[in-house]
Amino acid sequence: KQEVTQIPAALSVPEGENLVLNCSFTDSAIYNLQWFRQDPGKGLTSLLLIQSSQREQTSGRLNASLDKSSGRSTLYIAASQPGDSATYLCAACCNAGNMLTFGGGTRLMVKP
Amino acid sequence: DVKVTQSSRYLVKRTGEKVFLECVQDMDHENMFWYRQDPGLGLRLIYFSYDVKMKEKGDIPEGYSVSREKKERFSLILESASTNQTSMYLCASTSGDDTGELFFGEGSRLTVL
Repeated sequence: KQEVTQIPAALSVPEGENLVLNCSFTDSAIYNLQWFRQDPGKGLTSLLLIQSSQREQTSGRLNASLDKSSGRSTLYIAASQPGDSATYLCAACCNAGNMLTFGGGTRLMVKP
Repeated sequence: DVKVTQSSRYLVKRTGEKVFLECVQDMDHENMFWYRQDPGLGLRLIYFSYDVKMKEKGDIPEGYSVSREKKERFSLILESASTNQTSMYLCASTSGDDTGELFFGEGSRLTVL
């Protein structure tokens, strides 16, 4: 059974720092890996989706990489801003039924 | 823009009441999902549906049922609400193709007293 782990569970950084959020998964036979953002009391917003054949995806200040062989994905946030404060979740998709396994999330706080 | 809409953001119900949570998507997606999210437990899949009138149990289906009479609408039903069903409920949908990108609604915060 797939297990997805996100470390650290919480992170606090000063504004302007570049930072990396980590996601690891136990079964490398994934379909894709998706990163989400969740603000308190809200639903999840899709940030980036990396297909199994891809190594990375970029959107603005966000860059997500995927290394299936090592079972790892990272989300890089450049020049962090207070508005980036949220919980970030990764999810690995292992079969054609689109059943995702979620990590526990990393709660990010960017201090002004 | 893709959109998944959950009918109620906040609900307060009493133990034993029947509760309906509605979810509508406008993307013509085949697959729809209901999750619940609790502190320390993360997201857990309750039920999913890959077609009209089709449903499959997720990891925690006990105490819940679902209905999918139309492609765009997926309902979660709590036949007799209990206090341990107090939670954030999240609906999601995805197309049936290989991209698999999942889109979520805003969530429904249910409190059962």
